[in-house]
Amino acid sequence: AQSVTQLGSHVSVSEGALVLLRCNYSSSVPPYLFWYVQYPNQGLQLLLKYTSAATLVKGINGFEAEFKKSETSFHLTKPSAHMSDAAEYFCAVSGTQGGSEKLVFGKGTKLTVNP
Amino acid sequence: NAGVMQNPRHLVRRRGQEARLRCSPMKGHSHVYWYRQLPEEGLKFMVYLQKENIIDESGMPKERFSAEFPKEGPSILRIQQVVRGDSAAYFCASSLRLAASTDTQYFGPGTRLTVL
Repeated sequence: AQSVTQLGSHVSVSEGALVLLRCNYSSSVPPYLFWYVQYPNQGLQLLLKYTSAATLVKGINGFEAEFKKSETSFHLTKPSAHMSDAAEYFCAVSGTQGGSEKLVFGKGTKLTVNP
Repeated sequence: NAGVMQNPRHLVRRRGQEARLRCSPMKGHSHVYWYRQLPEEGLKFMVYLQKENIIDESGMPKERFSAEFPKEGPSILRIQQVVRGDSAAYFCASSLRLAASTDTQYFGPGTRLTVL
């Protein structure tokens, strides 16, 4: 079985500050990991994904995440927050189990960016 | 290239009525996933379909819920005799499935179901 834990349901940062959103996973098969962003009343947009190539993954809008197998973590970072980054962020894991590549999501972290 | 389309965007039903949610995948995508998002919760997988086949329905409630993805036309998620607990946002995603688990799922804007 697979699961994702996102530490901190709400994170608040100042504009220009570092953004760090935490994600820990559990998986009995080699994991594939994803970060999605959801703006209010919209669908999910893929930020980045880890597929066992490079452990440091760069995504859109200046975000990146590092896969650390020893810590079972896939934390999302951005060096300098913008007001437009305010949204909800979801970490997800998938892995081939019975031919189904369903995503298992964490509960999400709402990011607030203060001026 | 249009993205994943879902309609309606908002749906209001009274208890006991039926709800039909439609999803048109991205052009060329033949794999569709349905997820449900309850308030203050992450998305929960419901069902995975290919054209004319249900591959994984392990997340579907045993009663009142069904899904299909016909050879022609959109995928349909059907909820019979809706109850207040069905109120949620329902998201559809589609993928090409070129390489199994590394494939990207592209999400639609969702249908927000309200049951009165």
